[in-house]
Formats: sequence, C-alpha cells, structure tokens
Amino acid sequence: AQSVAQPEDQVNVAEGNPLTVKCTYSVSGNPYLFWYVQYPNRGLQFLLKYITGDNLVKGSYGFEAEFNKSQTSFHLKKPSALVSDSALYFCAVRDTRGTGGFKTIFGAGTRLFVKA
Amino acid sequence: DAGVIQSPRHEVTEMGQEVTLRCKPISGHNSLFWYRQTMMRGLELLIYFNNNVPIDDSGMPEDRFSAKMPNASFSTLKIQPSEPRDSAVYFCASSGPGQGAYEQYFGPGTRLTVT
Repeated sequence: AQSVAQPEDQVNVAEGNPLTVKCTYSVSGNPYLFWYVQYPNRGLQFLLKYITGDNLVKGSYGFEAEFNKSQTSFHLKKPSALVSDSALYFCAVRDTRGTGGFKTIFGAGTRLFVKA
Repeated sequence: DAGVIQSPRHEVTEMGQEVTLRCKPISGHNSLFWYRQTMMRGLELLIYFNNNVPIDDSGMPEDRFSAKMPNASFSTLKIQPSEPRDSAVYFCASSGPGQGAYEQYFGPGTRLTVT
C-alpha cells in the first residue's frame, strides 16, 4: 500500500534563511509525487510535482523539491524563506501501478512558520 | 477559468438534519474528489469519481454519507442524518483529463458545523 510520511509537525525558520520540509514515501511502483500548500481558510494549492526525469523540480513561489529514489524522499526546499511562506504544506503520492486509479495519498501536513 | 466551485461556503445545521454540499469541477477535468479536513484526523479522502463513475468510496465514514456525480460538471455530497462529529471542512477537488499524473485543484471548501 502507498503511504506518505511528513516527520515534522512544524518547521520554524527565520526570514531569509533556507527552508526544508521533509517527506518520505512508500509505493509499490514508480511514484508520482506532489507538494501542496494551504493558507488559512483556503483550499490546497498545487506547488510542484515529480513525474520522471530531472530529480530536482522547480515550482511556484520559488519552491523546489528533490526526488531521491534510494532514500524514497521528496523534500521541499526554498533558498530564502519569506514570512508569507508561512502555511501548511502537504506532500502527496500517487502510485502508477495497480487498480487504485487516480487515488492520491496525502501526508499529515507540516506547518511552516517563518519569523521576521 | 473560475476554478473549482463549492457551495455553500458555510453551513450550520442541527443534529439530525440533512446536509447537501455541492461542487462544480473545472471544465474538462474528468476526475473529482471529495475530502474532509479536521484538526484531529487531517485530510481524509472520502470518495472519488472518474468520468462520473465512483471508483473508490472506501473513505466514506458510514451509510449516512452518500455522493453522486450525475454529470461532468456537478457533484453532491449528502449527509443524512448529520451528527456533531461530522463538523469539518469539506473540500472538492478535480483533475485530469486522462490517466496522466495530473495535480488536483481544490475548491475553497465548505465549513460544516453540526450543533
């Protein structure tokens, strides 16, 4: 069965510093991996995805993520954090095999606080 | 495109009443998902449709919950009778078309409070 783990409930970082939000996954086939962001009282917004190809993918708002197959990880990164990046971040995975159709599994979420 | 549209945005009802949540997916998308989000349980997938057909409803909590998708541009999630533990934010999302690795686009959610 596919699963996603976000080991940190909360990440604190100072504005201007680099940030990393961690994600590990487990799937039976090749994974499709996603990051979403949720601001207060809003729905989730897509940030970026890994399908195949370059292990470093770039997304919206200056975010990027690195796919590491050997470590089954897909960590979200940003070189310089902004206060406006403070939000709830979700990692998600979709298996490419089996009969699960288009089912995507979401992690529990990591709350990012960026202090000015 | 207006994005995924959900109505109502807020719903307050009394225990035992019927509640119907509505969703209009993005035009051209052929997969639709219903999620529930609470502080205790996080984001839970309730059911999803592909080409208007329910594919997996294993996340539906119990028989009080039902969902329909009569056409490609409309879906409903119904709770009858409602209970206080159903209080949550309910999201609808859509994606597609085809079997590509498409991201999901979420609506703004319906905040349900059952008293």
